[in-house]
Amino acid sequence: QVQLVESGGGVVQPGRSLRLSCAASGFTFSTYAMQWVRQAPGKGLEWVGVTSYDGSDTYKADSVKGRFTISRDNSKNTLFLQMDSLRAEDTAVYYCARGLKRLDYWGQGTLVTVSS
Amino acid sequence: EIVLTQSPGTLSLSPGERATLSCRASQSVNSNYLAWYQQKPGQAPRLLISGASSRATGVPDRFSGSGSGTDFTLTISRLEPEDFAVYFCQQYGGSPPVTFGGGTKVEIK
Repeated sequence: QVQLVESGGGVVQPGRSLRLSCAASGFTFSTYAMQWVRQAPGKGLEWVGVTSYDGSDTYKADSVKGRFTISRDNSKNTLFLQMDSLRAEDTAVYYCARGLKRLDYWGQGTLVTVSS
Repeated sequence: EIVLTQSPGTLSLSPGERATLSCRASQSVNSNYLAWYQQKPGQAPRLLISGASSRATGVPDRFSGSGSGTDFTLTISRLEPEDFAVYFCQQYGGSPPVTFGGGTKVEIK
């Protein structure tokens, strides 16, 4: 069955970096676009960015452009989110999800807390 | 950017009642690219509907989606206890390519 498992969340100080991973299994990872979506505590869903099936194209929300990088390693069935220059407003649960037009499978999420 | 506005913010209903949730777009959305998700507390969102009206695998037929252009609707014909949750609409297309609505909470009256 399809599984997406995020890891790498935690508490980090403003201005520091964090790298999230999303380990995929149960499907041919290299044929699917993948996305990151975040949800601040008690808030709605905010799209973070998407990468194409081969990683050649990525698009990100304006709120994270220049600070976050999305990449993937298809040989290891893993999606990454490199987050630099973190701000308090980046505090959220970060989900990885499969798909481009519709997100048909989601991970359980990993919590990132940016606080001094 | 295509902005999705969901209404109402909260819907208070009793089990067995019909729920009608609205998702309005700031500009026309390709119906093939409009989806609905359900999220329960502490859980990840779950895809319910894609292509505006196609139920995802395993979704009960009491859930239905409709609409086109800028107006889309998610209907739950008869609410079951497990349906009380938050529902989000999502569109693909334009720049940025993905946006979500703010959500509608369906709560027990």
